[in-house]
Amino acid sequence: DAGVTQSPTHLIKTRGQQVTLRCSPKSGHDTVSWYQQALGQGPQFIFQYYEEEERQRGNFPDRFSGHQFPNYSSELNVNALLLGDSALYLCASSLGAEGNQPQHFGDGTRLSIL
Amino acid sequence: ILNVEQSPQSLHVQEGDSTNFTCSFPSSNFYALHWYRWETAKSPEALFVMTLNGDEKKKGRISATLNTKEGYSYLYIKGSQPEDSATYLCASDSGNTPLVFGKGTRLSVIA
Repeated sequence: DAGVTQSPTHLIKTRGQQVTLRCSPKSGHDTVSWYQQALGQGPQFIFQYYEEEERQRGNFPDRFSGHQFPNYSSELNVNALLLGDSALYLCASSLGAEGNQPQHFGDGTRLSIL
Repeated sequence: ILNVEQSPQSLHVQEGDSTNFTCSFPSSNFYALHWYRWETAKSPEALFVMTLNGDEKKKGRISATLNTKEGYSYLYIKGSQPEDSATYLCASDSGNTPLVFGKGTRLSVIA
């Protein structure tokens, strides 16, 4: 039973570039959430996708966008990268978009902006 | 309390010691409280999802309690082992809003 998988594991970009991160949810899960974890902070919610639509969004600028595919996998896109975007990006999946569901996390993508 | 706060930020204990740490969360609009364990180089692992005031959950040597009226939860580890070394995260769940995580408590168990 495959858990949540994320790719790539590590990524180095320069300011102004664009990046796409990918996530495959745990088998049987239909909801994907993305989080940004900066150094010394807890995971910060970016957005959540359910039924191929953005269901909720955190306090992140429009440079952060996403997509969910019919097979429930998801992408996180960040445009016009800034130094402050350097962080660990976590993907989490769950069954259903309601609360009270434990999130199953991937190992994350470490993004470094030079 | 507007944010989720965890204390202490870090903790060092000897193997065999019991320990506990705190998560404080907004008591208004409460729906659930999540605990996760995050070992270095691994993904966060769900420990508990707690919903009822006074609830207590247990998983092996780890247990948690919940007070929704005053907005806090305690996580207890009995007889700490080196493999318990990890960051323990809690997150407040208001049902229809995203999880709000604390910064975590980093536990180091010294053999």
